[in-house]
Amino acid sequence: NAGVTQTPKFRVLKTGQSMTLLCAQDMNHEYMYWYRQDPGMGLRLIHYSVGEGTTAKGEVPDGYNVSRLKKQNFLLGLESAAPSQTSVYFCASSYAANTEAFFGQGTRLTVV
Amino acid sequence: GEDVEQSLFLSVREGDSSVINCTYTDSSSTYLYWYKQEPGAGLQLLTYIFSNMDMKQDQRLTVLLNKKDKHLSLRIADTQTGDSAIYFCAEGGYSTLTFGKGTMLLVSP
Repeated sequence: NAGVTQTPKFRVLKTGQSMTLLCAQDMNHEYMYWYRQDPGMGLRLIHYSVGEGTTAKGEVPDGYNVSRLKKQNFLLGLESAAPSQTSVYFCASSYAANTEAFFGQGTRLTVV
Repeated sequence: GEDVEQSLFLSVREGDSSVINCTYTDSSSTYLYWYKQEPGAGLQLLTYIFSNMDMKQDQRLTVLLNKKDKHLSLRIADTQTGDSAIYFCAEGGYSTLTFGKGTMLLVSP
């Protein structure tokens, strides 16, 4: 049972480049989330989804887009990367809104 | 709005007890969670408590919940160097979990 898998694990981008982070879960969870983690800031919610075909904005959505075309996948896109988006990104999934969230191992993104 | 507050840093000696505190604002939270993050890894659920409970014990871990003051604590007995990590408190809200900023626990030999 893989749980939540994120790809890639590391990436370096140049300012202005675009990329997509992929999150896949095999637990049939309805809810999926993208967080970013920065020193001293804790986890901040970027976007989330409450089911296939749905997305919603979190605390820090600007500069990011998401899609949930299949229940098991949640994609996070950066259209034009900026140095301020250098961070560690975590995907998570849960059965319901207030139940245990399962996290991926993270993607370390550096924008130069 | 929902907010979860934690102290940022705690340092203890091996064998001592550690107590990590958390305050939250959403009185309707059904579950409250403690997650552990080891260096370079994602968050893993450590323990949780249902909102109608005052205390939960799980081996070396004791969770205390004071609903009146919206205060949650995690006590780790006989703290070991392997307990060094960041500990996040989280409350189960209407649409998402809300996390605190995390408490870095440093255990020295």
